[in-house]
Amino acid sequence: GQQVMQIPQYQHVQEGEDFTTYCNSSTTLSNIQWYKQRPGGHPVFLIQLVKSGEVKKQKRLTFQFGEAKKNSSLHITATQTTDVGTYFCAGRGGRRALTFGSGTRLQVQP
Amino acid sequence: NAGVTQTPKFQVLKTGQSMTLQCAQDMNHEYMSWYRQDPGMGLRLIHYSVGAGITDQGEVPNGYNVSRSTTEDFPLRLLSAAPSQTSVYFCASSPPGGFEQYFGPGTRLTVT
Repeated sequence: GQQVMQIPQYQHVQEGEDFTTYCNSSTTLSNIQWYKQRPGGHPVFLIQLVKSGEVKKQKRLTFQFGEAKKNSSLHITATQTTDVGTYFCAGRGGRRALTFGSGTRLQVQP
Repeated sequence: NAGVTQTPKFQVLKTGQSMTLQCAQDMNHEYMSWYRQDPGMGLRLIHYSVGAGITDQGEVPNGYNVSRSTTEDFPLRLLSAAPSQTSVYFCASSPPGGFEQYFGPGTRLTVT
């Protein structure tokens, strides 16, 4: 079955440093989504990427979808304490169901 | 709109007991799904539904049943609880023609 791997599992940064999490799928994806989950909360949708090589930005967050549509990344520039949480990628193959990665937990030290 | 609601928020069961986790949404979403979240394992899909009367299995369906008699409700039934089912359970829904999933607040289940 489809597998989605995410690295690193955990990242601890100083406030102001950059952060990147990577997502890799065992199969080609039709699209990929990113979610953020604050500690004790539920996942919240951030964005969806559909096209090969697509790059989207949301303020300090930059999302990329690989040319082969098998990998993706989320980059946060100049982290803030409000960025703390776990970031999940979720890939969709041929079915409607999503396969989630295991997530990257981000800790930001003020 | 209340969005996606889940009850209860917390539950403790003994091995062998059965129970139903409730999920409801008031956004007229066709697609609804159940996930379990365990430390270090992300979210794993249990069951999903693309509309009333239609359900399908996800990645980890064993030990769970679902039904979808209305658009609004998608209950998850644990038939005979086991300690391996200790987890946080999230229900989610997606709008018609949409793609983003809206998650409920979750139910934290402990099976002793």
